[in-house]
Amino acid sequence: SYELTQPPSVSVSPGQTARITCSGDALPKQYAYWYQQKPGQAPVLVIYKDSERPSGIPERFSGSSSGTTVTLTISGVQAEDEADYYCQSADSSGTSWVFGGGTKLTVL
Amino acid sequence: EVQLVESGGGLVKPGGSLRLSCAASGFTFSSYSMNWVRQAPGKGLEWVSSISSSSSYIYYADSVKGRFTISRDNAKNSLYLQMNSLRAEDTAVYYCARVPDAQLRSPAYGMDVWGQGTTVTVSS
Repeated sequence: SYELTQPPSVSVSPGQTARITCSGDALPKQYAYWYQQKPGQAPVLVIYKDSERPSGIPERFSGSSSGTTVTLTISGVQAEDEADYYCQSADSSGTSWVFGGGTKLTVL
Repeated sequence: EVQLVESGGGLVKPGGSLRLSCAASGFTFSSYSMNWVRQAPGKGLEWVSSISSSSSYIYYADSVKGRFTISRDNAKNSLYLQMNSLRAEDTAVYYCARVPDAQLRSPAYGMDVWGQGTTVTVSS
């Protein structure tokens, strides 16, 4: 079955830049989506179609894509950004959706 | 306000059945595909199933295929998940989520609105 690979954890100090990667063989054919999830809450979409930002999401959140890897970048990290982040995409046929294992972002 | 509210979770014995519901409001439900996503305690998100706006396209994760059935009633603005032959590993919070694409096209879309989830516990 198709898999997306994320690092389990990323740590940064406030004001620094956090980068979370997600790798998958079908990413050149399928868009990637990023979700933020805080404890006890439902996920929130922060990036769609690799690099688009939904309304209401701060400009410090951005996304990029290169080959089989997509990256979520959070510039000027704030304490409130501490959360789990999940990438999501689909297999090459688009009929099987998949999430990465999630990355816990810690703000030191 | 765009809103999704899940219900129907609870405690069920292994081998039992449960039907989850998701009530949608604040948007034209019949214009959107919908997903079920689950999250086991302390674990990551897992896609469960997708259904297109008119129910023409339905997809399942391998882990639930043959046991779970997704359906919708556009007249009632409701999404359902019938879960049979439940196992301990189905224990999770189940979320319904909106997909901003009516036909589940490829490249696939993501999920822009999520409910707060309903908890399913499978235990004897």
